[in-house]
Amino acid sequence: GAGVSQTPSNKVTEKGKYVELRCDPISGHTALYWYRQSLGQGPEFLIYFQGTGAADDSGLPNDRFFAVRPEGSVSTLKIQRTERGDSAVYLCASSPGRKETQYFGPGTRLLVL
Amino acid sequence: AQSVTQLDSQVPVFEEAPVELRCNYSSSVSVYLFWYVQYPNQGLQLLLKYLSGSTLVESINGFEAEFNKSQTSFHLRKPSVHISDTAEYFCAVRGVVGAQKLVFGQGTRLTINP
Repeated sequence: GAGVSQTPSNKVTEKGKYVELRCDPISGHTALYWYRQSLGQGPEFLIYFQGTGAADDSGLPNDRFFAVRPEGSVSTLKIQRTERGDSAVYLCASSPGRKETQYFGPGTRLLVL
Repeated sequence: AQSVTQLDSQVPVFEEAPVELRCNYSSSVSVYLFWYVQYPNQGLQLLLKYLSGSTLVESINGFEAEFNKSQTSFHLRKPSVHISDTAEYFCAVRGVVGAQKLVFGQGTRLTINP
């Protein structure tokens, strides 16, 4: 079956611009996670959705970052006023339930110039 | 809160040699433990996991890891590596209760030389 998909695969933007990153989870998965992976580092947690609601947003670095999942399926990570330090690979994962294995998408590579 | 330390950022080995990738964790609560693998130009894939029961867990491609609670370790081993095992390996933990997020180590790049 289809895995987690993320679009775009690559995004280049200028400092100060707004970007949206999309995640399509595996069909039927109720839990969705966003992580950020900087060069040479392991992924770092950003936010977790159970259904439509954000159950844990403790990893969002500041109020420029926001994520939504309005219908409990597709999720969008939104970054306002991008900074060069936001450059990273943004990973999305989904799982059938809150205690199940997380399956990762290929990631969106964001470069802020 | 949890943290994970992978002691080696890079591990070069010769083909058919044994390998051990080390992982230590810190946590104030009981945890589940995972190893994820990232092959070149691919996404993260689950390699194996420890949830409960036998402390020795195995993957389908010959890797194994042993949960050692007293040493707070979950080292990954393979008795004989292949060129196709070249990848980055990430150790991760998640609390049994509470937060559902995975906490990852910084990764170990395994390079297999012929």
